[in-house]
Amino acid sequence: AQTVTQSQPEMSVQEAETVTLSCTYDTSESDYYLFWYKQPPSRQMILVIRQEAYKQQNATENRFSVNFQKAAKSFSLKISDSQLGDAAMYFCAYHSGGSNYKLTFGKGTLLTVNP
Amino acid sequence: SQTIHQWPATLVQPVGSPLSLECTVEGTSNPNLYWYRQAAGRGLQLLFYSVGIGQISSEVPQNLSASRPQDRQFILSSKKLLLSDSGFYLCAWQGQPNYGYTFGSGTRLTVV
Repeated sequence: AQTVTQSQPEMSVQEAETVTLSCTYDTSESDYYLFWYKQPPSRQMILVIRQEAYKQQNATENRFSVNFQKAAKSFSLKISDSQLGDAAMYFCAYHSGGSNYKLTFGKGTLLTVNP
Repeated sequence: SQTIHQWPATLVQPVGSPLSLECTVEGTSNPNLYWYRQAAGRGLQLLFYSVGIGQISSEVPQNLSASRPQDRQFILSSKKLLLSDSGFYLCAWQGQPNYGYTFGSGTRLTVV
């Protein structure tokens, strides 16, 4: 079974600075997808960014980018120019490319943004 | 565009009472549907998922059940709530696996 590990329970960053959240995963599959979700205090789960394993190019979405290292099974999220609204719980998630229908989530990293 | 509706937003129920949480999806057909629970503001636990009408897979044996009476409707139920059923319940749908899940706004359930 696949596992997703987020080794940082909590992180903090100064407003306008850059922060990187770590995520590693364990799988024997070659076809899969990776995601970062954000859960603000409202607890609504919001998709931040996604990465297809077959793509070597790292995904970017405005101030959010990933560092996808397939061989190392690492998928970190970089938030540039951090804003107060970025404060949230961030979850890394894995989805098999096969017929498995489930997302496997990490335990989350709580990000605090200091003004 | 696709939207997902989940209700109620907040619920306080006495121990031993029944439960019914509803989730509906609009703008798509034959979605995969999921119920998650998040306790103590931390990790997400998959409770049930469904890949079609009447098809329910249970991940964790417990006091809860799920049903999918219509293509875009997913219901989470309990006949008698326990204190341990308290938590934040999230419904989600999935079209294609490479797009991940889209979540509802959640239900905060407190069993007293």
